[in-house]
Amino acid sequence: DMKVTQMPRYLIKRMGENVLLECGQDMSHETMYWYRQDPGLGLQLIYISYDVDSNSEGDIPKGYRVSRKKREHFSLILDSAKTNQTSVYFCASKGAETLYFGSGTRLTVL
Amino acid sequence: AQSVTQPDARVTVSEGASLQLRCKYSYSATPYLFWYVQYPRQGLQLLLKYYSGDPVVQGVNSFEAEFSKSNSSFHLQKASVHWSDSAVYFCALRGSALGRLHFGAGTQLIVIP
Repeated sequence: DMKVTQMPRYLIKRMGENVLLECGQDMSHETMYWYRQDPGLGLQLIYISYDVDSNSEGDIPKGYRVSRKKREHFSLILDSAKTNQTSVYFCASKGAETLYFGSGTRLTVL
Repeated sequence: AQSVTQPDARVTVSEGASLQLRCKYSYSATPYLFWYVQYPRQGLQLLLKYYSGDPVVQGVNSFEAEFSKSNSSFHLQKASVHWSDSAVYFCALRGSALGRLHFGAGTQLIVIP
């Protein structure tokens, strides 16, 4: 079964705390993405990973970093979270025909 | 530059009525075009895609879309909507097979039973 799994589903953090969002896929896809979704803005690309330790900035990378040490796992890290990073974060992996999305992590930074 | 515009933030239709969700794109060549659907508390799922050939493409759940190069459009259509079609629909563009996907802001579809 082709699946992208994101953990956790909901997360509440205080401003200045570190945040780790995790994503896994079971399809051995090389390319994975992190997006954030905000009302009226659609999905904005934060980072792309083309394979292990091969990461590239997307359109809005500031305030974020990523880690990909295994092909099946792609993490998004917020060092010292800010209130404007409150959003829904989606991970996706790239198949031959389409992107496969996880169910998202709703992050609230207070 | 590549961009996608979905001019309608929200569309409300009655069950059984026909539907058109609009998508306009900006790209210098013929792009790869997609429609995705997002049901509540879920990730996006592919509805249909256009790469080349017949400008009318069929997708899942009786959705179809028509590509128009002259109008730079890729509108999504359905002849008769069901209440379960209520969701957010995203149009997306990719300039090449390996390019990044650019999403529109999305259109929320509300189907009234």
